[in-house]
Amino acid sequence: DAKTTQPPSMDCAEGRAANLPCNHSTISGNEYVYWYRQIHSQGPQYIIHGLKNNETNEMASLIITEDRKSSTLILPHATLRDTAVYYCIVRVADYGQNFVFGPGTRLSVLP
Amino acid sequence: EAQVTQNPRYLITVTGKKLTVTCSQNMNHEYMSWYRQDPGLGLRQIYYSMNVEVTDKGDVPEGYKVSRKEKRNFPLILESPSPNQTSLYFCASSTGHTNTGELFFGEGSRLTVL
Repeated sequence: DAKTTQPPSMDCAEGRAANLPCNHSTISGNEYVYWYRQIHSQGPQYIIHGLKNNETNEMASLIITEDRKSSTLILPHATLRDTAVYYCIVRVADYGQNFVFGPGTRLSVLP
Repeated sequence: EAQVTQNPRYLITVTGKKLTVTCSQNMNHEYMSWYRQDPGLGLRQIYYSMNVEVTDKGDVPEGYKVSRKEKRNFPLILESPSPNQTSLYFCASSTGHTNTGELFFGEGSRLTVL
């Protein structure tokens, strides 16, 4: 699976959009980009995933560049409850489902 | 409600005393997995199971055993716990068919080995 690079930490003002970047320059054509988050010491929570096209759900939007070498997770209106560690994972969507979690980005939403 | 349930949530034990952390899911998922999380090391996979009676090692399997006798349960066994197994443990499950990529995690089990 391709390696990902994320900034270790970011701040965002409450109510503003939080844009979390992820670099995955060695991504292969059949690898998806997944985003999870972990609030404090709770179990990680799935947010969104995509292959090529931009994706949106009730939690967030995922923007993948045309060359697929980077992506951005967007939380449109961050709240204090969005303070968490966000993990970007790149992997093939096969049956093995082995997810490798890196250090992620610690997002702090400030009042 | 769809959920992954782990027990115990907190445990303090002593070196060498066998213990089992249970994991149960009610979503009829084929795939289940155990992770441990340590400061500075992130989440690391211990073992995983693709289906009943099918298990395989993850990245850090030493000192652990698992079994998958039923689809819903995937216990993690520490035969002779040592202090370096003090950690936060997470069980996760996923369907193996739709490949949605969504792993469902339990709330975690914090284990301290003295």
